[in-house]
Amino acid sequence: KAGVTQTPRYLIKTRGQQVTLSCSPISGHRSVSWYQQTPGQGLQFLFEYFSETQRNKGNFPGRFSGRQFSNSRSEMNVSTLELGDSALYLCASSLVPYSNEQFFGPGTRLTVL
Amino acid sequence: KNQVEQSPQSLIILEGKNCTLQCNYTVSPFSNLRWYKQDTGRGPVSLTIMTFSENTKSNGRYTATLDADTKQSSLHITASQLSDSASYICVVSGMDSNYQLIWGAGTKLIIKP
Repeated sequence: KAGVTQTPRYLIKTRGQQVTLSCSPISGHRSVSWYQQTPGQGLQFLFEYFSETQRNKGNFPGRFSGRQFSNSRSEMNVSTLELGDSALYLCASSLVPYSNEQFFGPGTRLTVL
Repeated sequence: KNQVEQSPQSLIILEGKNCTLQCNYTVSPFSNLRWYKQDTGRGPVSLTIMTFSENTKSNGRYTATLDADTKQSSLHITASQLSDSASYICVVSGMDSNYQLIWGAGTKLIIKP
């Protein structure tokens, strides 16, 4: 069974731009969660989607948004990028929402210059 | 406030030696605690999960313990190998209505030959 895939793996943007990251969950998994990880920080929860609906949201500004499609694939968007948005963005899939048995993708490394 | 604190922040040991990583939490009510291993530039991978009634759980050379009374968990690594070099993250899930996973900042472990 294929694992969680994330694209792109690496991304370089400049301040003020916007970016869209993509995540394909494990086949059969309907829940997708997004996390931000910066050096020395724990994983910061962004949001979780299940059946195309946002079920849970972390404490991030409105510049961070996401969506989920009918095939469970998910995208997250960050608008008006700031230097502090440079981070590893991780996607995790699970069978059901609110599960801590999550399977993580390799992440997208975003650098904002 | 629900928190998960891990110690030490970083640790360097020689190959073949044992080590113990600590995780203290204040999450209440408690549901379960999971340890993840995260290799550099990769997504976390689950090592063990422990519920309230479990005291010890092993996964090969990894042994996790849980003391739900003192709200402490430890991850013991036996006969360390170079491939154990990674960050080890503790995550606790609660059972209240505002369900979220509370992630620790991780312990960065370096194994030297």
